[in-house]
Amino acid sequence: QTVVTQEPSLTVSPGGTVTLTCASSTGAVTKSYYPNWFQQKPGQAPRALIYSTINKHSWTPARFSGSLLGGKAALTVSGVQPEDEAEYYCLFYFGGAQPSWVFGGGTKLTVL
Amino acid sequence: QLQLQESGPGLVKPSETLSLTCTVSGGSIYGSYDYWGWIRQPPGKGPEWIGNVYYTGSTYYNPSLKSRVAISVDTSKDQFSLKLSSVTAADTAVYYCATLERPGVSGYTASWGQGTLVTVSS
Repeated sequence: QTVVTQEPSLTVSPGGTVTLTCASSTGAVTKSYYPNWFQQKPGQAPRALIYSTINKHSWTPARFSGSLLGGKAALTVSGVQPEDEAEYYCLFYFGGAQPSWVFGGGTKLTVL
Repeated sequence: QLQLQESGPGLVKPSETLSLTCTVSGGSIYGSYDYWGWIRQPPGKGPEWIGNVYYTGSTYYNPSLKSRVAISVDTSKDQFSLKLSSVTAADTAVYYCATLERPGVSGYTASWGQGTLVTVSS
């Protein structure tokens, strides 16, 4: 069973910069995992932020960016705003004979 | 703008089959570049991918659920559906329908339904 691991929680000050990461139990993450990132606030559906590692949706604030960092997928938030406090999830694609998708366990981002 | 809406019973008895439908508006399933997927989220936990369907009818399922899951598409109605058999309390979750990126294909547009809570209980 493939596992995707995220930091359980991170805290950042308003205006600061924070990087969230996602690792795969299968090894180094590459762009072929097509990392997607989602933000979820309580009582709401997840909102897509990033796809294909680095691509933003039309509604994604400019302060959010995706990358690969040290064998992991990364989501960096620069100039954090109070409204960025939320749970963040990554989603990886695993290709092969039976393609599958796996979500990370989520990172609770606190803005304090 | 693409909109997705889940519909179906909010309460299912143990051992029965959970059935949900996702209706797409503001766009068409037929010819879409994206996958049409089902994701669930148990209360207080993270999302879990259930499976995807392409407009051609091709499907991909979570290996842990594969023996109980069937996803189908009806392009004439712009709907796709989920059936999960032999449900237990562990299947209690908010079920979402969503578009998922098709690897290697550009033009992805993410869209999620608002989600529907399905409780498994007698």
